Amino acid sequence: NAGVTQTPKFRVLKTGQSMTLLCAQDMNHEYMYWYRQDPGMGLRLIHYSVGEGTTAKGEVPDGYNVSRLKKQNFLLGLESAAPSQTSVYFCASSSAGPLGAEQYFGPGTRLTVT
Amino acid sequence: AQSVTQLGSHVSVSEGALVLLRCNYSSSVPPYLFWYVQYPNQGLQLLLKYTSAATLVKGINGFEAEFKKSETSFHLTKPSAHMSDAAEYFCAVSSVSGNTGKLIFGQGTTLQVKP
Repeated sequence: NAGVTQTPKFRVLKTGQSMTLLCAQDMNHEYMYWYRQDPGMGLRLIHYSVGEGTTAKGEVPDGYNVSRLKKQNFLLGLESAAPSQTSVYFCASSSAGPLGAEQYFGPGTRLTVT
Repeated sequence: AQSVTQLGSHVSVSEGALVLLRCNYSSSVPPYLFWYVQYPNQGLQLLLKYTSAATLVKGINGFEAEFKKSETSFHLTKPSAHMSDAAEYFCAVSSVSGNTGKLIFGQGTTLQVKP
């Protein structure tokens, strides 16, 4: 049982390049989330999904797109990377049960945009 | 709107001393509250959560937190710090806007443990 996994772990991009981050979970969770973590700002929600085929914007969605074609996967795309997107990205998932369900986090992807 | 404020971005304690990390929340309805820990270069893992069953919540690694409605606080404590407790700690509140499972995180507190 791997929990939540993220690919890749590290990536360096040049400004204007594109990339996709992959998140996979094997817990049959309905809900999935993408966050970015920057020093002193905690975790900020980029996009989230409440089920296969659904996505919604979070707090800081600009410059990112997502897709949830399969229940177990949640992809985060950067179409034209900018230095401001240098960050650590975390994926999380949770069950669709009663309120108060915890989120399970992946190990993170460290992205540097030069 | 809901929010979480963690007082103190850095806390330093000596090994064996009391750990107290402060969290205050703002919520118009009874909240669900969480404490997560992040060790260097790792993801977040749940320490404990409050879901209205009991105001004193015990978590992993000897941590506990007390929900105080009158003070809108959910402070995290541990009686005796260990070197392995050095990490970043996040307080979070469960969003009540729709059944989405979203969490609202505080800015985080880095705990340093000195030998």
